[in-house]
Amino acid sequence: DAGITQSPRHKVTETGTPVTLRCHQTENHRYMYWYRQDPGHGLRLIHYSYGVKDTDKGEVSDGYSVSRSKTEDFLLTLESATSSQTSVYFCAISETGDGVGYTFGSGTRLTVV
Amino acid sequence: GESVGLHLPTLSVQEGDNSIINCAYSNSASDYFIWYKQESGKGPQFIIDIRSNMDKRQGQRVTVLLNKTVKHLSLQIAATQPGDSAVYFCAENKGGSYIPTFGRGTSLIVHP
Repeated sequence: DAGITQSPRHKVTETGTPVTLRCHQTENHRYMYWYRQDPGHGLRLIHYSYGVKDTDKGEVSDGYSVSRSKTEDFLLTLESATSSQTSVYFCAISETGDGVGYTFGSGTRLTVV
Repeated sequence: GESVGLHLPTLSVQEGDNSIINCAYSNSASDYFIWYKQESGKGPQFIIDIRSNMDKRQGQRVTVLLNKTVKHLSLQIAATQPGDSAVYFCAENKGGSYIPTFGRGTSLIVHP
């Protein structure tokens, strides 16, 4: 999607290894979010950020950490990947942060073997 | 459990028909509702939204209806086209929250 890029698009990693996913935006939006999408669960919020160095947990934050050192980048880290973290991860950005007009990235498909 | 859900996981229609995708919500404090479309291999895309002080809102070929009495939301797509085939999510935003809650999605299949 224009203005938001996720990398990598696909990744296979082994259980117990650390993994970092990157979300990069060129819209200068204040709010950034990480979601995971699994069959039967829809989109579930992992962490979000409301400014540089300002982050908070979502409903499924266990096993994940985030960092935002610059407005344009929001990193999601799996400190020690587990098979239950196999999922499709989406980043989203928002200018207003009130749930209006999210823009989503194209997603990262992560497989933990 | 989730407060946003969908009645039908899959909806199959013929090209040219009108499609109706339904969504129920349980929180009467929700004041903002959004519909997203997700094509295979892509992220969700915003389609249309509606505030709780409205009953209906129209866009290009899409209409969202909100019935607060029964806490029901629907997305109507007129003259459905094969390009409309996707998963459609509804989401609700509770008053005072900055985080919408997403439903599981309905898969719309349009047959040519």
